Amino acid sequence: DQQVKQNSPSLSVQEGRISILNCDYTNSMFDYFLWYKKYPAEGPTFLISISSIKDKNEDGRFTVFLNKSAKHLSLHIVPSQPGDSAVYFCAASRPSGTYKYIFGTGTRLKVLA
Amino acid sequence: DAGVIQSPRHEVTEMGQEVTLRCKPISGHNSLFWYRQTMMRGLELLIYFNNNVPIDDSGMPEDRFSAKMPNASFSTLKIQPSEPRDSAVYFCASLGTGSYNEQFFGPGTRLTVL
Repeated sequence: DQQVKQNSPSLSVQEGRISILNCDYTNSMFDYFLWYKKYPAEGPTFLISISSIKDKNEDGRFTVFLNKSAKHLSLHIVPSQPGDSAVYFCAASRPSGTYKYIFGTGTRLKVLA
Repeated sequence: DAGVIQSPRHEVTEMGQEVTLRCKPISGHNSLFWYRQTMMRGLELLIYFNNNVPIDDSGMPEDRFSAKMPNASFSTLKIQPSEPRDSAVYFCASLGTGSYNEQFFGPGTRLTVL
């Protein structure tokens, strides 16, 4: 049972436009969410996170939105740049104090120059 | 800081052989995680350690998989015997101490079992 779902395996966006990556989760006990970016032949790297007590967190061109009632989060990248082309994973964790993350299957973003 | 180090980066082996993957976490990190990445299931947590003690191994697929962490700077993931369906990229991650509590990942080991 996939508790964290990224239903779009891929997304293509023109350079300069907004990229919106979506993630849905099923467990209402999740209270911390993260986005990771992964380039080919490298490990995932942390991008941005959000606690369940917030509905928005912004860091430069990256903004994560959390809709707890819909169990949905999204990552907005504005403006998109060719260097943003990568696979993006969302992850969620429960307040167990163990930092165990459940990852989605990833969305491959391609930013077209 | 060298980051999380994994070896080997690539491993090609034949079905039935033993495979050992290695990981050196970031110094000072006290939690270590082993993941497997496949197209179908994304990043799956196999096992994680806290202070060298296995805390949750519920993600280990079967008895052919085992993991150890003999000290704070080294961990191994062993598959014996290996099977073609074990082919995947295996990542090791260690837990950071920054405000976001994010895990830092190594570059991964791409395992191919023929």
